[in-house]
Amino acid sequence: GAGVSQTPSNKVTEKGKYVELRCDPISGHTALYWYRQSLGQGPEFLIYFQGTGAADDSGLPNDRFFAVRPEGSVSTLKIQRTERGDSAVYLCASSLTTGAYEQYFGPGTRLTVT
Amino acid sequence: AQSVTQLGSHVSVSEGALVLLRCNYSSSVPPYLFWYVQYPNQGLQLLLKYTSAATLVKGINGFEAEFKKSETSFHLTKPSAHMSDAAEYFCAVSDISNFGNEKLTFGTGTRLTIIP
Repeated sequence: GAGVSQTPSNKVTEKGKYVELRCDPISGHTALYWYRQSLGQGPEFLIYFQGTGAADDSGLPNDRFFAVRPEGSVSTLKIQRTERGDSAVYLCASSLTTGAYEQYFGPGTRLTVT
Repeated sequence: AQSVTQLGSHVSVSEGALVLLRCNYSSSVPPYLFWYVQYPNQGLQLLLKYTSAATLVKGINGFEAEFKKSETSFHLTKPSAHMSDAAEYFCAVSDISNFGNEKLTFGTGTRLTIIP
């Protein structure tokens, strides 16, 4: 079956612009996670959704970052007033249910802020 | 707070040789531990996980890892390296006390190179 997909695969934007990154989880997966992977680092947790609600947004670096999942499926990560330090690969993962401890990752969106 | 330390950002082994990638964790509660592999331009793929059952865990592609509480370690091994094993490997930990929230804390990764 189809895995987790993310669009776009690459995004180049200018400093100060607004960007949206999209994640399509595996059908039926109720849990969705966003991570950010900077060059040479491991992924860092950003936000966790259970259904439509953000159950844990403790990893969002500041209020320029926001994410939604209005129908409990597709999620969008939104970044306002982008900064060069936001350049990274943004990864999305989904999980069938709690207790499975098995997250399926998408290929990521590489964001470059110039 | 939980953390993971991966010793060696780069490891090179000859084809057919033993692969050993090191991971040590820090956790105030019994952790769940994971190894993920990342091939170039691909997403992370789960190799194996420890969830408090058997301490020796077998995963895909011939990899296995042993949870050693006394050493706070979860090292990844494979008896004989293949060229296709060349990739980035990440160790990760999850706090099982956060019921329902299975967010992962990753190490900085180890890049494995296989020498023909």
